[in-house]
Amino acid sequence: DAKTTQPPSMDCAEGRAANLPCNHSTISGNEYVYWYRQIHSQGPQYIIHGLKNNETNEMASLIITEDRKSSTLILPHATLRDTAVYYCIVTNTNAGKSTFGDGTTLTVKP
Amino acid sequence: GAVVSQHPSRVICKSGTSVKIECRSLDFQATTMFWYRQFPKQSLMLMATSNEGSKATYEQGVEKDKFLINHASLTLSTLTVTSAHPEDSSFYICSARPDLSETQYFGPGTRLLVL
Repeated sequence: DAKTTQPPSMDCAEGRAANLPCNHSTISGNEYVYWYRQIHSQGPQYIIHGLKNNETNEMASLIITEDRKSSTLILPHATLRDTAVYYCIVTNTNAGKSTFGDGTTLTVKP
Repeated sequence: GAVVSQHPSRVICKSGTSVKIECRSLDFQATTMFWYRQFPKQSLMLMATSNEGSKATYEQGVEKDKFLINHASLTLSTLTVTSAHPEDSSFYICSARPDLSETQYFGPGTRLLVL
């Protein structure tokens, strides 16, 4: 599985957009980019995923660069409840398993 | 939709005993489930891939005789920690992947404390 690199921590003001970057320069053609978040002492929560095109759902937007070597998760209006560890992972569609990196701890401040 | 449950949510046991953790996909069928372990302030580490009707595939360094996995139906996988020791104390998380989907949905986790 391709490895991902994320900044260890980020702060964001409540109500502002949170932009979380992820580098996955060794991603291969059949690997999806997935984003999950984990609030303390809970299981990870699925946020969004994509292959090549940008994606948007009710939680967030995912911007994937044309070469697919990096992506950005955008939370358009961060709230205090968005404080969590955000994981960017790539998943091989054949093997199905995923390798978690260290993630980014996002702290949303009032 | 896509809800995964785990039972128990928390368990305390004595050293040397065995503990069984259940992972259920509540509203979908999952031929494939995954078991992870997470130590404090660390990321999730994949332990094994559980496949319905066949043997689990364990990651390097994970003892298959210590962590027994059974995936007897399309909605249930179990992880049994045999002869548990204090170093097995951890947060165990399962995930399930709906058939024909690449997305994993995670359970709420089980916190195991071995005294």
